[in-house]
Amino acid sequence: QKEVEQDPGPLSVPEGAIVSLNCTYSNSAFQYFMWYRQYSRKGPELLMYTYSSGNKEDGRFTAQVDKSSKYISLFIRDSQPSDSATYLCAGAETSGSRLTFGEGTQLTVNP
Amino acid sequence: GAGVSQSPRYKVAKRGQDVALRCDPISGHVSLFWYQQALGQGPEFLTYFQNEAQLDKSGLPSDRFFAERPEGSVSTLKIQRTQQEDSAVYLCASRLQGAYGYTFGSGTRLTVV
Repeated sequence: QKEVEQDPGPLSVPEGAIVSLNCTYSNSAFQYFMWYRQYSRKGPELLMYTYSSGNKEDGRFTAQVDKSSKYISLFIRDSQPSDSATYLCAGAETSGSRLTFGEGTQLTVNP
Repeated sequence: GAGVSQSPRYKVAKRGQDVALRCDPISGHVSLFWYQQALGQGPEFLTYFQNEAQLDKSGLPSDRFFAERPEGSVSTLKIQRTQQEDSAVYLCASRLQGAYGYTFGSGTRLTVV
């Protein structure tokens, strides 16, 4: 079993839809959780960074972490075609330690 | 430069050939990571440097893989006697001490034929 599990999709939604992306993890030592966005043939780009359980909002993006159920979520409101990318969730034990990624969810937002 | 720079962007190697992949991290970033990303998969950890010290190399898949960062800035990932299963994108990431998250380069796409 992988330490971070993520539904690979693909997920296709109309423009303006609310998108929900989810991951589960098994490593209880994870304290830091991140969401990265990766466009085709580009490196991952940090979207959201969360410490421990709770919610964090940044513009149209909201990240949620529930450590009791080992569940990580990313919500995208008013989705745009430019949001079309692969979204990667990741966990880390400390702020400077290696990241363990899920396999990524491919999202397409249709105009 | 402002970002993490990796070269070459694309590399085609014949099976058995040695390759060297270069990473120029953001200036001042102490931590440097190498990841391997197979097609349709998330990045997998290979190795980690803090300055010139290689603190974790547990993710290197075999002794054909070797990484160095002799002066604590530029890093090189070397793969000896390449095999077809080495075909992947090799990503480098760096982090400023105390900062959140990591900045990734665009990667080197290695194809072994």
